[in-house]
Amino acid sequence: DAGVIQSPRHEVTEMGQEVTLRCKPISGHNSLFWYRQTMMRGLELLIYFNNNVPIDDSGMPEDRFSAKMPNASFSTLKIQPSEPRDSAVYFCASSFWALAGRHNYYIGELFFGEGSRLTVL
Amino acid sequence: RKEVEQDPGPFNVPEGATVAFNCTYSNSASQSFFWYRQDCRKEPKLLMSVYSSGNEDGRFTAQLNRASQYISLLIRDSKLSDSATYLCVVGGGYQKVTFGTGTKLQVIP
Repeated sequence: DAGVIQSPRHEVTEMGQEVTLRCKPISGHNSLFWYRQTMMRGLELLIYFNNNVPIDDSGMPEDRFSAKMPNASFSTLKIQPSEPRDSAVYFCASSFWALAGRHNYYIGELFFGEGSRLTVL
Repeated sequence: RKEVEQDPGPFNVPEGATVAFNCTYSNSASQSFFWYRQDCRKEPKLLMSVYSSGNEDGRFTAQLNRASQYISLLIRDSKLSDSATYLCVVGGGYQKVTFGTGTKLQVIP
């Protein structure tokens, strides 16, 4: 079975350019997460979707970052304009969450893609 | 206070040793707890879930202490292949799934 698929695996771009990262979650999963990892800050949750709807985007650094999930099988994370401090590995992960009562969720295992390593010069 | 805190290490231990990591969390309403493992330049992968009653998987034992709001991971008989970063993960309720910054383990021959 295919896991979470991310593209591109590596991207080197110049400051000011637009960057688009793509993610295809595992079929049947209803939650999708975008994380950013750096040595200094570890894994940071940027945004997550449940049933294609953004639930929490409080981790998105600023307006330069945007994420969309037009359907259950595709999501994008866009940075415009990019800056050198955006250099990091960006992970997409998918999971199955089930509502287990009011405000309570059963959280399944998060499956991560191999990541997109972004370098902004 | 951070939502999830871990000692970054590194923990350098000889082969065969027993090593334990703790992770504290700030939200008492948290309901789901996991340990993930991340190898260098790879994606995180689930090591084990942490249940209220504690659970064991081979050489690995995970425990949850709700009163003190921490989870632990014990690795017995350490192998060279256990060298990795171990990430504590907390979530549930209305919470987003939050990863700790990880504890680095280096098992030495």
